[in-house]
Order: sequence, then structure tokens, then C-alpha cells
Amino acid sequence: GESVGLHLPTLSVQEGDNSIINCAYSNSASDYFIWYKQESGKGPQFIIDIRSNMDKRQGQRVTVLLNKTVKHLSLQIAATQPGDSAVYFCAEIPDSNYQLIWGAGTKLIIKP
Amino acid sequence: NAGVTQTPKFQVLKTGQSMTLQCAQDMNHNSMYWYRQDPGMGLRLIYYSASEGTTDKGEVPNGYNVSRLNKREFSLRLESAAPSQTSVYFCATGLEGSETQYFGPGTRLLVL
Repeated sequence: GESVGLHLPTLSVQEGDNSIINCAYSNSASDYFIWYKQESGKGPQFIIDIRSNMDKRQGQRVTVLLNKTVKHLSLQIAATQPGDSAVYFCAEIPDSNYQLIWGAGTKLIIKP
Repeated sequence: NAGVTQTPKFQVLKTGQSMTLQCAQDMNHNSMYWYRQDPGMGLRLIYYSASEGTTDKGEVPNGYNVSRLNKREFSLRLESAAPSQTSVYFCATGLEGSETQYFGPGTRLLVL
């Protein structure tokens, strides 16, 4: 069936470096994608979203890139901080009923 | 303004016992959702409610029932708990016409 998946289950980066978290999706009809951050013991928290008619969107220290040709999106975090340690999920909405399909998650570890 | 609240935070059940997980929101959102999250996995939708008085099955509804009591409250019931239902359960809300969902802190359920 349709699925959203992540390339790397764990990513370790040095504090201050940039982080890039990748996500592949398989439903070419999906027109909306969201990145969520989940800290230990908490519920997911919205970070940034992007629609399929865009290929890049920037937020505060975060950028999401969408490549529809290869069905791939990425989350870039600039100047990674200890507070960025979390599991990051990408999710897609393949149709208009707003049901999210979630990927498995990537754990981001910050090295001091 | 508490956002999305869930009770209890943690529960241990024996196989065959029943219980109801409670979710309440003060965000005046129409849509509410119940997800489960297994270790190292993304979230899977159990049931959702697009508006007061309506409920629909998600990806993994078997073994669960829901009630949209009013606009604020959406409960999830396990009639006869099974060890396979050991998981973290998240309630979420969403504004009609918006894909962004807001999550509660989760209920950790252990079924022995």
C-alpha cells in the first residue's frame, strides 16, 4: 500500500552544524506534507509544512525541500542546538480528508 | 488555555479488562483523532471524528470504539484489552479546512 518512510532511523550531528533529515513518499497524488518533532515523553509538535505546488519553504532555522520527481522531501535544521534532539516524523496527506500518513521517524542526536 | 488534554497519563491493564481513554480540547476545533504509537514507529490512526456526532474508522480500528461526546471531548474505549494494544495513545485535534493537527501529551497503556 501507500507509505511514507524515512531513510535513516538515527542521525547524529555536532552541535552548531546543520542537520538534514530525509523522507521518501510513495503516493504521487499527495499534495501536502508536514514535518513533526516529537520530544521524549511528549506528543508530536508541528514544525513546518509544504504543499506540492512548492519545492521549498523556510521557517525559523528550518527549511523543507520537496522533490516531486523522486518523491522525496527533506527537513534542514540550521545551527543545530541541544533542544533539537527529538524524533522527527514526516507525514503526508494523500487526499482531502485530512488523514495523515506517518513515516517511521528519525531520531536526531546532538553531540556536544 | 490547556490545548489538548488526555487522561490518564499511564495505565496498566490485565488482558480482558476494559477502559476508556479520555481526550478533551479547548481549541474549538471540529476534528478530533485517536492514534496509537508503538515503539520506534510512526503514528497510526485508529478513529477520527470530523465533527460532533460523526466518527469514522482509521487504519487500525479493530478492538476499539470511540464516542464524540460533544465538540470538546472524544473518548477511546477498549472493551477487552489485549497485550497487542500495549502502546502510547495520542489524541489530536484539527481545525476544519486545515491539515495541521495538534496533539495531546499521550496515554501510555500497558496490557499484561
